[in-house]
Amino acid sequence: EDKVVQSPLSLVVHEGDTVTLNCSYEVTNFRSLLWYKQEKKAPTFLFMLTSSGIEKKSGRLSSILDKKELSSILNITATQTGDSAIYLCAVRNTGTASKLTFGTGTRLQVTL
Amino acid sequence: GAGVSQSPSNKVTEKGKDVELRCDPISGHTALYWYRQRLGQGLEFLIYFQGNSAPDKSGLPSDRFSAERTGESVSTLTIQRTQQEDSAVYLCASARERADTQYFGPGTRLTVL
Repeated sequence: EDKVVQSPLSLVVHEGDTVTLNCSYEVTNFRSLLWYKQEKKAPTFLFMLTSSGIEKKSGRLSSILDKKELSSILNITATQTGDSAIYLCAVRNTGTASKLTFGTGTRLQVTL
Repeated sequence: GAGVSQSPSNKVTEKGKDVELRCDPISGHTALYWYRQRLGQGLEFLIYFQGNSAPDKSGLPSDRFSAERTGESVSTLTIQRTQQEDSAVYLCASARERADTQYFGPGTRLTVL
């Protein structure tokens, strides 16, 4: 059974800090790893990673995949209060459904 | 439409009643997924539809749960004889095709009293 573990479970930082969120996985026939941001109910897509070592970047957010270590990190620089959310990591296998297996998320709170 | 929509946004029901949740995917998206998120937990896969193919029901937790989709449009998730442990947010996602990025709707928060 596919498994995703995220750490830390929760994190409180001050505005302007840089944070690194971790995701490790066990998946049969890995296809891709995805990061989502969940502020209220609907997760919003951030990144999809398929290749090891290639950083994806969007503004202050960036992410990289390490297939050898079966892990990924999500970095947020110069954090803002609007970054406060639950960050979800999910993996997709090559099965017919291409379903996503999610971790429980990291709850990030950015304070003034 | 601009995004995935779901209705109702909130549903409170009594134990033993049946409920029906609706999902309208993004127009043109052939893949549709249902997930459940219990409080403080990650999303659990429930069911997947791809075009006119037979759905993948491997995530449905019991035979009280069923879902339908008409072609590549609306999907409904039905929970019969609801139990308190069914209380959760039910999220629907759609994708252009099977391996593409999934876009989520706002979810339906179900509370079973």
